[in-house]
Amino acid sequence: ETGVTQSPTHLIKTRGQQVTLRCSSQSGHNTVSWYQQALGQGPQFIFQYYREEENGRGNFPPRFSGLQFPNYSSELNVNALELDDSALYLCASSSDRAPPLHFGNGTRLTVT
Amino acid sequence: QKEVEQDPGPLSVPEGAIVSLNCTYSNSAFQYFMWYRQYSRKGPELLMYTYSSGNKEDGRFTAQVDKSSKYISLFIRDSQPSDSATYLCAMSRNNAGNMLTFGGGTRLMVKP
Repeated sequence: ETGVTQSPTHLIKTRGQQVTLRCSSQSGHNTVSWYQQALGQGPQFIFQYYREEENGRGNFPPRFSGLQFPNYSSELNVNALELDDSALYLCASSSDRAPPLHFGNGTRLTVT
Repeated sequence: QKEVEQDPGPLSVPEGAIVSLNCTYSNSAFQYFMWYRQYSRKGPELLMYTYSSGNKEDGRFTAQVDKSSKYISLFIRDSQPSDSATYLCAMSRNNAGNMLTFGGGTRLMVKP
């Protein structure tokens, strides 16, 4: 059984740029969600994808968007990057939109 | 006030001690309760998952949920230096999918 994998592991971007992060869900899981974890804090829910559609969203602006593909992999896109977007971005997968969630090791994004 | 409160620590204990980690919450609609362990530069790793109230045991770990008090606990018996990590509690409502609300995490250090 393969776990959740994310790429890249680290990324440095400049304010105002755009970034795409990628996630492959755990084998057998059809639901993917994304979380933002600032340093020293717990993860915060960004959104969830199920059957290739956004199926729930946290308190994040529209410049955070995503996609889910037929193989259940997913992308997180962030436009017009701000310094506060610097964080660890975590992808999690589960079955049929229900806990428990299994997380990847994240992408560390630094915005300068 | 945050929906889920967790003492940030650090909590320092000697090897072999029993560790008690706790979270309180304010939303009575929470039904799913999880504990995650997060090592530095890694994603959260699922330790325990419970639905509604009661106890659950898995090896050295015991999770307790007291919904009447809105209080959850994780006990670690015979703690090891390898248990040194940040412990995150997380919870969600019925039909909330992958939208977890996390505590801020408690940093645990187990000294040899």
